[in-house]
Amino acid sequence: DAGVIQSPRHEVTEMGQEVTLRCKPISGHNSLFWYRQTMMRGLELLIYFNNNVPIDDSGMPEDRFSAKMPNASFSTLKIQPSEPRDSAVYFCASSPPQVHGGYTFGSGTRLTVV
Amino acid sequence: GEDVEQSLFLSVREGDSSVINCTYTDSSSTYLYWYKQEPGAGLQLLTYIFSNMDMKQDQRLTVLLNKKDKHLSLRIADTQTGDSAIYFCADFYGNNRLAFGKGNQVVVIP
Repeated sequence: DAGVIQSPRHEVTEMGQEVTLRCKPISGHNSLFWYRQTMMRGLELLIYFNNNVPIDDSGMPEDRFSAKMPNASFSTLKIQPSEPRDSAVYFCASSPPQVHGGYTFGSGTRLTVV
Repeated sequence: GEDVEQSLFLSVREGDSSVINCTYTDSSSTYLYWYKQEPGAGLQLLTYIFSNMDMKQDQRLTVLLNKKDKHLSLRIADTQTGDSAIYFCADFYGNNRLAFGKGNQVVVIP
């Protein structure tokens, strides 16, 4: 298995532009998580899906952020419009149905908003 | 909500042992995890321990769990330069969610 695949690896965009981050979870994993990592705040859970359904989006910072999971093999995190304070590394992770399986993380997307 | 605390930085000489500590708040935790993050990479699962265990050993890694004090530690024996990374502990707190600490940066000095 190729693991959790995220794209792009790096994204530089101008303030006000729309940004879409993509994630392909591991086949057979039924939970998917989006995290944001910054020096100041560490790892923050933004949203997670179980069987493609959003379960908890309380970590989404504001309405500019939205996430979708149209099927078991694909999810997107969209920021519209983007702001400089959104600059961070965004990680996607997936986990199997077994409770002790732990999460498998993707390599992340480093977003820079200028 | 669930809270996981870690110290921020540890410097250790190559060949020595490293010990990273973590405290958590949820007394009903069933699994606790250690993840490693190398520069520019995602978090990689290192090991985990079930809450009915006190210790788990996996090659150079030893995990100790003190449920009474809600304290988890990771000992790395014979620390090598490749062990330089940020280490996160995480607590499984239900609904398939993990609460992560802020991470502990380990720097190995050759």
